[in-house]
Amino acid sequence: DIVMTQTPLSLSVTPGQPASISCKSSQSLLYSDGKTYLYWYLQKAGQPPQLLIYEVSNRFSGVPDRFSGSGSGTDFTLKISRVEAEDVGVYYCMQSKEIPPLFGQGTRLEIK
Amino acid sequence: EEQLVESGGGLVQPGGSLRLSCAVSGFTFSFYWMTWVRQAPGKGLEWVAKIKEDGSEKYYVDSVKGRFTISRDNAKNSLYLQMNSLRVEDTAVYYCVRGGWRFAYWGQGTPVTVSS
Repeated sequence: DIVMTQTPLSLSVTPGQPASISCKSSQSLLYSDGKTYLYWYLQKAGQPPQLLIYEVSNRFSGVPDRFSGSGSGTDFTLKISRVEAEDVGVYYCMQSKEIPPLFGQGTRLEIK
Repeated sequence: EEQLVESGGGLVQPGGSLRLSCAVSGFTFSFYWMTWVRQAPGKGLEWVAKIKEDGSEKYYVDSVKGRFTISRDNAKNSLYLQMNSLRVEDTAVYYCVRGGWRFAYWGQGTPVTVSS
């Protein structure tokens, strides 16, 4: 299985400040079709997860441009340029290059 | 607007069975792989199973192989998860998800509790 490791597991950010979450996979997520199967989700309290970023760096429909994804191979990063109160929740990275798709442990973001 | 509505969850004893359903609207169901993801209380997300558009391919996480069966009825725009020989560790909220690789749309989830 391709294991996903997120750091940090929690962070507290002042509104308007940036935030960054790292995600490392145990194997490269680059597939032979040229796509890298790395995704970012945000789960707000009491809600299902929502897709933020797909294939490393593509923002999903309706996702604010303060969210950005980067990386390649086995190292990936989600950045929030200016954190807002509504960004509170748990962020998960996920690989779906191989079965089973696995999620990272989650990073809890809170507002200072 | 894409909508996925799960049903069928509840309380069941260890060794029992449940059948989860997911009714879909707002997109052409038969065009998409579909997936079940679960989340144990206070825990992270776990992929459970996925099924191809026409039902010809199915994949499962090892922990449910031989006990769970994913299926679909494209005429009814519905996804199912038959869960047999349930264990305490299957307790979770089960989410119906559109997609086999990119999980773009999620239902609200249906809770399953396995307890004596």
